[in-house]
Amino acid sequence: DQQVKQNSPSLSVQEGRISILNCDYTNSMFDYFLWYKKYPAEGPTFLISISSIKDKNEDGRFTVFLNKSAKHLSLHIVPSQPGDSAVYFCAASDLGSGNTGKLIFGQGTTLQVKP
Amino acid sequence: DTGVSQDPRHKITKRGQNVTFRCDPISEHNRLYWYRQTLGQGPEFLTYFQNEAQLEKSRLLSDRFSAERPKGSFSTLEIQRTEQGDSAMYLCASSLGGTRNQPQHFGDGTRLSIL
Repeated sequence: DQQVKQNSPSLSVQEGRISILNCDYTNSMFDYFLWYKKYPAEGPTFLISISSIKDKNEDGRFTVFLNKSAKHLSLHIVPSQPGDSAVYFCAASDLGSGNTGKLIFGQGTTLQVKP
Repeated sequence: DTGVSQDPRHKITKRGQNVTFRCDPISEHNRLYWYRQTLGQGPEFLTYFQNEAQLEKSRLLSDRFSAERPKGSFSTLEIQRTEQGDSAMYLCASSLGGTRNQPQHFGDGTRLSIL
């Protein structure tokens, strides 16, 4: 049972335009959501997160939106740069009392930003 | 460099051999996680330590796998009698507990190849 899904395996955008990466989840107990970026031969690098009490969090060029009723979150990158080309993973966690905070990951979306 | 460190980066071994990986978390982080990632998939949770206590193990962690964190600092993951299906990237992550919504930070992983 895939609790976190990234339905687009790949995305290609032009430099300077907006990149929108999407993620859906099924477990209503998830209350903390994160995006990670991964380059080949490196571990995932934390980008941005959002708590379920918010619907938007912004950090520089990166903004994460959370729609709890739709169980959907998205990552917006504006403007996109060639260095943003990587695999992006969405992850979710249930931080309720007694829980370990383990992350459940989506399958990843490969973003290519063309110069 | 004060990030999560993993050793070795690559391990090639014959089927049936035992292997051990090491993870050094960020020094003040009391939470430590092990994940496994196979090609085309997101990382999957294996086990979790809070300080030296192993508090959760995934059903992915068969009895051939054992993990320790003896002094609440570094951790080791051992796989006994390796099988072809154990070939994967093994990732370690750490985070600061006691405060909600702290992201996990990952090492660059150990890539295991079983011949």
